[in-house]
Amino acid sequence: GEDVEQSLFLSVREGDSSVINCTYTDSSSTYLYWYKQEPGAGLQLLTYIFSNMDMKQDQRLTVLLNKKDKHLSLRIADTQTGDSAIYFCAESNQAGTALIFGKGTTLSVSS
Amino acid sequence: DTAVSQTPKYLVTQMGNDKSIKCEQNLGHDTMYWYKQDSKKFLKIMFSYNNKELIINETVPNRFSPKSPDKAHLNLHINSLELGDSAVYFCASRGARGFNEQFFGPGTRLTVL
Repeated sequence: GEDVEQSLFLSVREGDSSVINCTYTDSSSTYLYWYKQEPGAGLQLLTYIFSNMDMKQDQRLTVLLNKKDKHLSLRIADTQTGDSAIYFCAESNQAGTALIFGKGTTLSVSS
Repeated sequence: DTAVSQTPKYLVTQMGNDKSIKCEQNLGHDTMYWYKQDSKKFLKIMFSYNNKELIINETVPNRFSPKSPDKAHLNLHINSLELGDSAVYFCASRGARGFNEQFFGPGTRLTVL
């Protein structure tokens, strides 16, 4: 079945770059996603990438996709304390009816 | 205006009780979901409804029963609550745009004593 794996914790200093990595199993997923969950809140879509792209840049965010290795990464440039949150990688299930989420990476940013 | 709202935000109850969580979306979406987030923050889908019809029913105890009176509402009723049901429950809805963006409610923190 579908599975999404990511490391659970990342700690960086303010101003540094953060890189959160994810591996997934279902190569048929048309899109891959990064969601952000701030403390006490629901998830919000941060960015997504179409499966035929290698890279997508959106301001401080860069998404890299290696389809051959089924590896997705999210780079946050100039990380700020407000970026502290849990970041979830997700792929679509085979039917395209639901998202399969990774376990989430807790990003902690210290000043 | 809140896009996806849930009530209550917090729910504390005794084992064995029956409780309901309500969810409403005002985005005009056809598809709605219930997710469970455990104490380690792992998020798992429980149910999905499309236009009031159940389309996903993961391996969830049958003490959990979703009900969709119309496509803007998806409620979750839980019978005979157990300690292991303590979690944060998120409702979400999905737009018709091709990239499957889901919009999440703020969550309901259920504590079973």
